Order: sequence, then structure tokens, then C-alpha cells
Amino acid sequence: DTGVSQDPRHKITKRGQNVTFRCDPISEHNRLYWYRQTLGQGPEFLTYFQNEAQLEKSRLLSDRFSAERPKGSFSTLEIQRTEQGDSAMYLCASSLADWLAVQYFGAGTRLSVL
Amino acid sequence: RKEVEQDPGPFNVPEGATVAFNCTYSNSASQSFFWYRQDCRKEPKLLMSVYSSGNEDGRFTAQLNRASQYISLLIRDSKLSDSATYLCVVNIGDSNYQLIWGAGTKLIIKP
Repeated sequence: DTGVSQDPRHKITKRGQNVTFRCDPISEHNRLYWYRQTLGQGPEFLTYFQNEAQLEKSRLLSDRFSAERPKGSFSTLEIQRTEQGDSAMYLCASSLADWLAVQYFGAGTRLSVL
Repeated sequence: RKEVEQDPGPFNVPEGATVAFNCTYSNSASQSFFWYRQDCRKEPKLLMSVYSSGNEDGRFTAQLNRASQYISLLIRDSKLSDSATYLCVVNIGDSNYQLIWGAGTKLIIKP
């Protein structure tokens, strides 16, 4: 499978715990994006990498959210001290660096905070 | 006003009918426009990019109206498999990576 892969697919955690999600983009894509999606809404942009550089992070939801892409390949999204409001689907996408680059999505990680 | 607005629906349409959705956007500097399709509890998948001159892909036609700041999607001869949520996506001004997504229009095709 050469598409975007995300792990885990589902995560159940207790409030206050830290969680980390992984995204492996399509291998030739140098851009990687993280989104959050709640029921009945479209994806909400969180952050974006070009290679290993995080070029936009102002839309991360709070300082509890952080993302890394240390070698310009896979990326991780960490949420510290989870809250019930963090329950959502977290989607990763990747693209080439073209102006009209299409973003291809992984299947997402569904987070439930109890 | 939301940056990207869509009628949430649902649109209940008989199989074989033609259906159209509009999507309005607020940033007049937007340059990139897309329609994505999302099935229930699945990830969004690109349906088509929207070009200034309008474009067609089989039963699907997309149009852009810059003056009124909306894009449209027309589906002809609708199939049961067209049932999904259709998401309108627009870039933010001169940013070619940061996309704003509408909340989607739910389409239900009935036999």
C-alpha cells in the first residue's frame, strides 16, 4: 500500500493522559498536513510541514498540541493532558509542493477521551 | 460569515436525477478550489479540482464564479454510489497549502 498511513486507527484514553499519533506520507510527497475533524464538520487545518520544517503552526488548537517531522518523512502529532473536547478524528494528508497540489489523506486516527 | 459555506443538506435525490450544490467563499484572493467526497467514517478523497474555465469529469461538472465567489458541483444521472458528503475546499489567499474546508453537503441517492 503506497498511500498515506496513520497509526493507530483508534485510540481510547483517559482525560489527562498524553497521546501520540503517527503519519507516514506518500513517499515522494514533501508536504505533510495535520487536520482535526469533528462530526458534521469539515477537516480543520492544524499544522503543515515542508520536508522537516514546520512552516505553519499558528492554527494548532492549544499549546497542548505539538507536531514533529524530524527526518522529513513520517510525522507525529502529540496531545498532552488530553481533554474530553479533544475527542475527534485526526487526519493526516500529504502532497507534492506544486501550487495546485492535491492533498491525499490517510484513514485517520479516531481519538476518544473518557 | 464563515470562510467557506455549504448547505449541509441532506439532499434526497432519486436515482438518475441531476443534483447541484453551491459553495460560497469569503476570501476574494483564493486561487485553488476543490471538491472532495467523504463517505461515512472514511477519509476525504479528491473528486475534482475546479478550474477557472469550469471542468467536467464524466457525470460531474464543476464551475467557478469569481464575481459572486462561489463554486458549484453538478452531478448528472446520479447513482446510488454517489451517496456521500461533498466537501468544498478553498485555499486562503496567496497560501497554496492552507486550505479551508466547508462542513460538507450530504447527498442521499434513493432507488
